[in-house]
Amino acid sequence: EVQLLESGGGLVKPGGSLRLSCAASGFTFSSYDINWVRQAPGKGLEWVSSITGNGIRTYYADSVKGRFSISRDNSVNTVSLQMNSLRAEDTAVYYCAVYCSTTRCYPNFDYWGQGTLVTVSS
Amino acid sequence: DIQMTQSPSSLSASVGDRVTITCRASQSISSYLNWYQQKPGKAPKVLIYAGSSFHSGVPSRFSGSGSGTDFTLTISSLQPEDFATYYCLQSYSVPHTFGQGTKLEIK
Repeated sequence: EVQLLESGGGLVKPGGSLRLSCAASGFTFSSYDINWVRQAPGKGLEWVSSITGNGIRTYYADSVKGRFSISRDNSVNTVSLQMNSLRAEDTAVYYCAVYCSTTRCYPNFDYWGQGTLVTVSS
Repeated sequence: DIQMTQSPSSLSASVGDRVTITCRASQSISSYLNWYQQKPGKAPKVLIYAGSSFHSGVPSRFSGSGSGTDFTLTISSLQPEDFATYYCLQSYSVPHTFGQGTKLEIK
């Protein structure tokens, strides 16, 4: 059974840092790009970052570029999102997800974690 | 960046109605368009991927069509459990972008 499990969310002050993790199981982890998607309270979904299966290429939304850093360790099937210089507008539920894209699109392969809440407030 | 314009932003309908939600991309995204359903406090759940491919386990009343820039999600006969918020996602190029969402409410 495919599972994605996020952890690391919590309350942090503006300007602070937090590291989110996404632990994956049930599939060949290194073969898939992993994405982070967030949802601010009462708002829509926003793509945040992606990392290719081999970890060589990383991509970021303009809203987080220069502050967030994505990485992965394929030996332990984990993706991390290091979030620095956090702002109130980064408050959201953060999901890790794998879905059909131009890199890889396997039938019926679309999975999301349950999400982890990040609250940036003084 | 590719902009996704989703309409309508909200929709009031009755059980048994046929409803259509559309997404328009600002440039061609081939068929790299997924449709998601989200209920409060839950992660998004895929309905359709690659424009028109059914995801396993999704009821057959959900269907998707389109390619290039114009895409449609159709629910052929609304059921009570379908009242939720729906999003499209283009995964053709980064940054991946979502539509603004369509909140489907009971009339």
